[in-house]
Amino acid sequence: AQTVTQSQPEMSVQEAETVTLSCTYDTSESDYYLFWYKQPPSRQMILVIRQEAYKQQNATENRFSVNFQKAAKSFSLKISDSQLGDAAMYFCAYRGLVGKLTFGTGTRLQVTL
Amino acid sequence: GAVVSQHPSWVICKSGTSVKIECRSLDFQATTMFWYRQFPKQSLMLMATSNEGSKATYEQGVEKDKFLINHASLTLSTLTVTSAHPEDSSFYICSARDTIATNEKLFFGSGTQLSVL
Repeated sequence: AQTVTQSQPEMSVQEAETVTLSCTYDTSESDYYLFWYKQPPSRQMILVIRQEAYKQQNATENRFSVNFQKAAKSFSLKISDSQLGDAAMYFCAYRGLVGKLTFGTGTRLQVTL
Repeated sequence: GAVVSQHPSWVICKSGTSVKIECRSLDFQATTMFWYRQFPKQSLMLMATSNEGSKATYEQGVEKDKFLINHASLTLSTLTVTSAHPEDSSFYICSARDTIATNEKLFFGSGTQLSVL
């Protein structure tokens, strides 16, 4: 079974600074997708970024980018120019051939002035 | 963009009663929907995969007779919590996969907070 590990329960970043959230996963599959989801206090799940495992190029979405290291099974999220609205729970997620999402335990991000 | 409507957003019920939660894809067809459960300050745990026109696939440890899932159409899946007890109090979230879209995106409902008294 696939597992997703987020070792940072909480992180804090100052507004306009950069922060990196860590995620590692375990799988025996060669083809899969990785995601970062944001869950604000409203609890609506919002897709931040996704990465296909077959793509070597790291995904980027505006201020959000990932560092995907397939051999190391690592998938970290970098948030640049942090904004107050970035404060939320962030979940790393894995989706394999079966199609279901496996989530990590989450990282709570605080953004301070 | 694609929208998944989930109702109700919150419900309070008495112990022993049943509660039905609806998950509806508004502008796309979803042959597969997923139901998750989230306890306070915890992650989302997959409960079951709902397939249109067939029986749902439940994750290990999830009681199928307790959590009844029906996916009778390409746009609607329902989760019924039968004979609810206080330990069933939780946040339930559905997600739906756009069957036709080539990028196979998943879209989430806004969740249902269930409180069983």
